[in-house]
Amino acid sequence: DAKTTQPTSMDCAEGRAANLPCNHSTISGNEYVYWYRQIHSQGPQYIIHGLKNNETNEMASLIITEDRKSSTLILPHATLRDTAVYYCIVRVAYNNNDMRFGAGTRLTVKP
Amino acid sequence: DTGVSQDPRHKITKRGQNVTFRCDPISEHNRLYWYRQTLGQGPEFLTYFQNEAQLEKSRLLSDRFSAERPKGSFSTLEIQRTEQGDSAMYLCASSDGTGGLNEKLFFGSGTQLSVL
Repeated sequence: DAKTTQPTSMDCAEGRAANLPCNHSTISGNEYVYWYRQIHSQGPQYIIHGLKNNETNEMASLIITEDRKSSTLILPHATLRDTAVYYCIVRVAYNNNDMRFGAGTRLTVKP
Repeated sequence: DTGVSQDPRHKITKRGQNVTFRCDPISEHNRLYWYRQTLGQGPEFLTYFQNEAQLEKSRLLSDRFSAERPKGSFSTLEIQRTEQGDSAMYLCASSDGTGGLNEKLFFGSGTQLSVL
């Protein structure tokens, strides 16, 4: 699986959009970008995933650059409950057993 | 859907003792995964089951670690002769195993192990 690089930490004001970047410059053509988050004392929670097109669901939007070397997770209106560690993972579909979490980005949403 | 359940939430043991953790996946989820997470790091894959078959166990950290899923429902992770380096959060996850584009892992809240 391709390696990912994320900032260690970020802050965001409550009600504003949180934009979390991820670099995956060695991504292969058949690797998807997945995002999970982990709120303190809980297990990770799936957010969204995509291959090359931008994706949106009820939680977030995922913007993948045309060359697929980077992506951005967007939380459109961050709340205090969005404070968590966000993990960007790239992996081949159908291969959950090789899903490699890095250290992630610690997002702190401030009032 | 009651979520993935793990028991116990916390376990304190003395070095050299054996410990066993239990995971109850979401009902009808046929895939079950075990991960380990140390402080400040992301989860690290250990092993997984498709129904009762353990399809990947090469990532188990040593031969002191073993996992079972005898009837394809709940699973147990056992650590024998615990060491202080085994102190970590042990996470269980399940999925419906469709292998399709929308396969997602659902995690439990984990078992926090402290080895004294």
